[in-house]
Amino acid sequence: GAVVSQHPSRVICKSGTSVKIECRSLDFQATTMFWYRQFPKQSLMLMATSNEGSKATYEQGVEKDKFLINHASLTLSTLTVTSAHPEDSSFYICSAKTPFAGAGADTQYFGPGTRLTVL
Amino acid sequence: KQEVTQIPAALSVPEGENLVLNCSFTDSAIYNLQWFRQDPGKGLTSLLLIQSSQREQTSGRLNASLDKSSGRSTLYIAASQPGDSATYLCAVIGNQFYFGTGTSLTVIP
Repeated sequence: GAVVSQHPSRVICKSGTSVKIECRSLDFQATTMFWYRQFPKQSLMLMATSNEGSKATYEQGVEKDKFLINHASLTLSTLTVTSAHPEDSSFYICSAKTPFAGAGADTQYFGPGTRLTVL
Repeated sequence: KQEVTQIPAALSVPEGENLVLNCSFTDSAIYNLQWFRQDPGKGLTSLLLIQSSQREQTSGRLNASLDKSSGRSTLYIAASQPGDSATYLCAVIGNQFYFGTGTSLTVIP
């Protein structure tokens, strides 16, 4: 089956620094990738949709200048948290959609997540 | 906007019991519904995907049903085991995934 990886799995950084999280589709090409954020004991909230070769589409309330998304190839999307603050500490999960998926958002494959802790 | 609610938020049962997790959603115009399992600090494991034209799906001890008209889905777990302890998320699939808040299940040996 389709596999999505994330790197790193866990990162701790100081307030004010930037952190990059990678999301890779290992055995398929993903024209679309999604980034989610999950706070403790809460559900996953979609942050942005990333399409290869074009600008990401951000959900309402998500700062595009703070959460920079780059989908430079069909197998890699990156999320950079710029000038991170303690309130950005969260679990970030990406997913990738195969190009054979139908009109719906199904056939998404989820990565294992990245735990970000900002001190 | 689609809103997805899961009840109960937490559930604790003795090993061997059958149990039902509930998921309700406000907009019935969906493509599919998917149930996931999430272990602490981990990503999502897909359990069952129900297409909008289907009413249920089964996999081993798991059975998920979907009633689009009433905006409800249930996940039935038979003969629960301690290894079933996890958070269970339902996701309603339209033009994007809309996740519920999850049910935290603890199965006591």
